[in-house]
Amino acid sequence: AQSVSQHNHHVILSEAASLELGCNYSYGGTVNLFWYVQYPGQHLQLLLKYFSGDPLVKGIKGFEAEFIKSKFSFNLRKPSVQWSDTAEYFCAVNARDSSYKLIFGSGTRLLVRP
Amino acid sequence: DAGVIQSPRHEVTEMGQEVTLRCKPISGHDYLFWYRQTMMRGLELLIYFNNNVPIDDSGMPEDRFSAKMPNASFSTLKIQPSEPRDSAVYFCASIRTTERLPFFGQGTRLTVV
Repeated sequence: AQSVSQHNHHVILSEAASLELGCNYSYGGTVNLFWYVQYPGQHLQLLLKYFSGDPLVKGIKGFEAEFIKSKFSFNLRKPSVQWSDTAEYFCAVNARDSSYKLIFGSGTRLLVRP
Repeated sequence: DAGVIQSPRHEVTEMGQEVTLRCKPISGHDYLFWYRQTMMRGLELLIYFNNNVPIDDSGMPEDRFSAKMPNASFSTLKIQPSEPRDSAVYFCASIRTTERLPFFGQGTRLTVV
């Protein structure tokens, strides 16, 4: 069965610090990978996605993620965070041979101090 | 397209009452998913449909929960009777398999008192 692990449950950074959130998945087949962001009290918004091709994907708001197949990882990065990046971040995986059901990690709460 | 539409956005009900949550997927999408989000359990997949047919309901917590998809443009998630521990945000998502990208609704925040 698919599973997704996010190692950092809470991260606190100061503005302008660099961010890296870890995500590892467990699945032997071909996967599609996603990062979603959820601002307080709001719905899920897609930050970026990986289907195939260049393993370094760029998303909205200056975020990027790198797919490393050998490590089953899809870490999210941002070189310089802003206070407005305070939110919860979810890594998710789906696959064609599991009917595209999206399996989420437990989420990472990011607090950026001004 | 207006995206995935869920209604109501907020629902407050008393324990024991029936609650019905609604979802309109994006036109042309052939998969529909219902998720529940709580602080304790994160985002859980409850049930999903392919071409209106329920495929996997193993995530439905109890028999009090049921879901239907009578046609390609409408799905309901019903809780009867509701309990305080059902309080959560319920999200609906849909996917067109040729595109592989899930689209989420804005969620229904359910409070059972």
